[in-house]
Amino acid sequence: ETGVTQTPRHLVMGMTNKKSLKCEQHLGHNAMYWYKQSAKKPLELMFVYNFKEQTENNSVPSRFSPECPNSSHLFLHLHTLQPEDSALYLCASSQVFIGSNTEAFFGQGTRLTVV
Amino acid sequence: EDQVTQSPEALRLQEGESSSLNCSYTVSGLRGLFWYRQDPGKGPEFLFTLYSAGEEKEKERLKATLTKKESFLHITAPKPEDSATYLCAVTETGANNLFFGTGTRLTVIP
Repeated sequence: ETGVTQTPRHLVMGMTNKKSLKCEQHLGHNAMYWYKQSAKKPLELMFVYNFKEQTENNSVPSRFSPECPNSSHLFLHLHTLQPEDSALYLCASSQVFIGSNTEAFFGQGTRLTVV
Repeated sequence: EDQVTQSPEALRLQEGESSSLNCSYTVSGLRGLFWYRQDPGKGPEFLFTLYSAGEEKEKERLKATLTKKESFLHITAPKPEDSATYLCAVTETGANNLFFGTGTRLTVIP
């Protein structure tokens, strides 16, 4: 148990579906992140929230929509995805903003398959 | 341009055969270098943070070192349970991101 919990662990969705990924952290951290991990590629930062405010959006397509209702919960809303969006989506949290040089702790990820 | 490069891409070791993994970085102002372990289908698990050249950290059979251009993860007398992908990441001054390498996939054979 890492203190960062993601649900669901696996998700298969059609290109016309709408689904959401959920992340919850039990560590009292103030910053939360969404990363995408594809085969043979480095982890790609998608979104950063610091004290519930979005501070980074790394040119992510609008079919991915994040939501951070409080500092413990983070969602990633998905709609009209493409097959190339199939990947492992990882949530992470850190005590303070990652730019302040603090380690990030990751959840177990959601394995997403778009068919 | 890749900011973090890890080598080798894959490494197979016999149980007890010590070796090192390399992480080289090109960021201009390093704030921190992080090592993670990732098992298949799971999220990365934090191992170490290194902040300045010359710093070393140890945990069981693992030891991480840092110079001004690279970091090494030394594995002493590895066991099969050390098999995993080891990821290196850096943060740099003025950036709001962890820049990851593609990892080294380590397999330790009994």
